[in-house]
Amino acid sequence: DADVTQTPRNRITKTGKRIMLECSQTKGHDRMYWYRQDPGLGLQLIYYSFDVKDINKGEISDGYSVSRQAQAKFSLSLESAIPNQTALYFCATSAKGGGYTFGSGTRLTVV
Amino acid sequence: GENVEQHPSTLSVQEGDSAVIKCTYSDSASNYFPWYKQELGKRPQLIIDIRSNVGEKKDQRIAVTLNKTAKHFSLHITETQPEDSAVYFCAADGGYSNYQLIWGAGTKLIIKP
Repeated sequence: DADVTQTPRNRITKTGKRIMLECSQTKGHDRMYWYRQDPGLGLQLIYYSFDVKDINKGEISDGYSVSRQAQAKFSLSLESAIPNQTALYFCATSAKGGGYTFGSGTRLTVV
Repeated sequence: GENVEQHPSTLSVQEGDSAVIKCTYSDSASNYFPWYKQELGKRPQLIIDIRSNVGEKKDQRIAVTLNKTAKHFSLHITETQPEDSAVYFCAADGGYSNYQLIWGAGTKLIIKP
């Protein structure tokens, strides 16, 4: 059973559209994260949340927003998608002081 | 805050040889140092980790060493195999601030047949 689930797995959208990527987890972790990965590059932190009432910006939050609907759910929105937001997006979870468990990723293409 | 540097960015080794990837960190309060493997198009997955009270940890062909004085840690892969080809990321936690992981830039490991 997948313990960190991302939906959709792939998405093609048009410039200017609003899009939401969803993440749910069965790990029981309080901490959740959204990362962006461009081809051949590393992990860039977009937003993170240490509990349901805690939301923090990461290094590349401009153009993105998040919602922590419950301990197990953390969604990422692109308010008005642009082509340079084409990337692979990962959700991750962790306990405090522990390793991260990543979802399978969402491959987003903005045309 | 914490800064993690990872070297080399690309490493090519002959199948059967050993591979070593090194990371340095800046925050002496960091306590947790994991290594992740990411195969092409897949999610990063934890392969081994070490905490600051331990100097070395092994799991079959992989090992991690930690030098707290010098603030560096390394991943060692022995008897490399084609399936070891991947991108490897090191990370260090933020210590007493929030324990969030700070990531290295990644090393692409290529195993030559």
